[in-house]
This record gives sequence, C-alpha cells and structure tokens, in this order.
Amino acid sequence: RKEVEQDPGPFNVPEGATVAFNCTYSNSASQSFFWYRQDCRKEPKLLMSVYSSGNEDGRFTAQLNRASQYISLLIRDSKLSDSATYLCAAHPNTGNQFYFGTGTSLTVIP
Amino acid sequence: NAGVTQTPKFQVLKTGQSMTLQCAQDMNHEYMSWYRQDPGMGLRLIHYSVGAGITDQGEVPNGYNVSRSTTEDFPLRLLSAAPSQTSVYFCASSDGQGSQPQHFGDGTRLSIL
Repeated sequence: RKEVEQDPGPFNVPEGATVAFNCTYSNSASQSFFWYRQDCRKEPKLLMSVYSSGNEDGRFTAQLNRASQYISLLIRDSKLSDSATYLCAAHPNTGNQFYFGTGTSLTVIP
Repeated sequence: NAGVTQTPKFQVLKTGQSMTLQCAQDMNHEYMSWYRQDPGMGLRLIHYSVGAGITDQGEVPNGYNVSRSTTEDFPLRLLSAAPSQTSVYFCASSDGQGSQPQHFGDGTRLSIL
C-alpha cells in the first residue's frame, strides 16, 4: 500500500469555480503534511503546509483530518494560472523520509 | 541567489554506463535530497543528507550512490545504468533536518538505452 495516495484526475473546471482535492495517507503516525504545485515539465514548488487547525493562504485552504487520515486542498475562484499538478506529501513522525502522492492534475478552462 | 542548481538537464546513457548527476545549493542548507519522478509513481526519495559527511538511504536507493563532502554539493552517482533508471531526477534542499523539501532544482531528464 502506498504511503500517500491521490486521485490523479484530471480535474477540468471553469474559471471562477471552487475545486477540492483530497489526499489519503496510510501512516497514522505522520505528523507533517504539505501541498506542492508542479507545472508541466518543471520542478515541484512548495505551496503550503497543512496544520491540524487548517491553513489558509489567499484563495487556497488546506485542511487535515486525522480521524480519516486525509488532507485536502481547496482552491476558490480558480484562475487559469492555477492549472498545474498538485502533489501532497507526508512526513512520518520519525526519520527523514518524505512521501509524495502521484499528483492531481487540474486544468482551469476559460 | 541561484538556489538549487542541477546539471546536466538532459542525458542519454547506454546500459552499463556510469555517470554523476550534479547538485549544488548556495543557501547554506543542511538538508539535501535526491528524488526520482516516474509516471504513476510520484516522487520517490533515493538518498538524503542531513549535513556534510552524513548520508542515508531513502525509499529507492539501489543502483545509486551519494556523497556529501561539502554543505553545498550533493552529487548522485549511477553505478551501472539500467533502463529502469530512466526517469526525471530532482535534487532538493531545506534548511532543517527532517523539514520538508523547500527548494527543488530544475531536474535532470535521464534516458537509459
């Protein structure tokens, strides 16, 4: 079983729409979670951390649900520039391993 | 600042050849790591280092060696290239042990024939 799993999509949404992605993790001891954005043929870029209390950065909101072992990313008022692949990552409580999901592809349509 | 610099950006090798992927960062970050990214597999950790002289294996270390003689440099060596090592390789750095990868290099696209 993979440490982190994501729905690969693709998600095709119109401009202005709200879209949400979920990411499940298998290790209940995981402590730290993150969302990354990766444009086509580019390197991943850290988007935001995910805290138990939730984390909001402009149009982006990240949430953690420990009981169900998933994290989510909500994008409001989608822009064309939001089109990318979104990767989630989990860090177990011990050690230095990071586990990434395979990514969810988002295309925002004019 | 250049951030994380990887070379080369593209490389084609024949099976059995060896090569070194270079990675350098100018942010004085202690933590550096190498990932490979394959379709349907996501990013997988190959090796990492928490400081000069210290390296450790990640999730998929077989067929790769690393060394960390300086804080700035973290080269990845393919000992005897195999077609299964065809992938996109990313080097990353962060400013604390165990912290999330904060900066990635542009990547190296490697094909093994």
